[in-house]
Amino acid sequence: NAGVTQTPKFRILKIGQSMTLQCTQDMNHNYMYWYRQDPGMGLKLIYYSVGAGITDKGEVPNGYNVSRSTTEDFPLRLELAAPSQTSVYFCASSPDRSGEKLFFGSGTQLSVL
Amino acid sequence: DAKTTQPTSMDCAEGRAANLPCNHSTISGNEYVYWYRQIHSQGPQYIIHGLKNNETNEMASLIITEDRKSSTLILPHATLRDTAVYYCIVRVPWSGGGADGLTFGKGTHLIIQP
Repeated sequence: NAGVTQTPKFRILKIGQSMTLQCTQDMNHNYMYWYRQDPGMGLKLIYYSVGAGITDKGEVPNGYNVSRSTTEDFPLRLELAAPSQTSVYFCASSPDRSGEKLFFGSGTQLSVL
Repeated sequence: DAKTTQPTSMDCAEGRAANLPCNHSTISGNEYVYWYRQIHSQGPQYIIHGLKNNETNEMASLIITEDRKSSTLILPHATLRDTAVYYCIVRVPWSGGGADGLTFGKGTHLIIQP
């Protein structure tokens, strides 16, 4: 019963490096989301997808890119990492259009030094 | 989406009922109330949601006032594992042309004391 799986769990990047955070779900959900959570704060939506081939920006998309080539996978790409991108990143999926019943992954803790 | 106000933190003794309040005085008629919680170092977990009537499931009960301007999440017999940040979210189920997820504020940090 895997649900939403995120890799890696931890990563340290140097300023200017790039990386891809992986997210995969095995529940056949059409809707997937990327959030970031800074210390002591709530979650902010970065990007979301309503199905394979369709993505859209959330509240804080700058510095990130996404793709959705399959229903299962929704990778988040960081280009030219900056210290402001130090955060915990959560991927989530949902079975329906509203997005209310979100299933979250366990998160990726990213530090940019 | 309507704005919510929650206390920053609360304590509750283990075995007692934990009552978490949420004010949403600007809620509109078609907005639902959702509760999620986030245990330390994990992703948020759905608890319950409702529109007007009180709701109960295996995790909790949700009491919504008649004027719908506030609600209370009740954990009937709190355990140490219920220590978490609890988020109260208000929104319309359908957000027009796309699914834009949920907006998570800072929530209430509930600490269950042994």
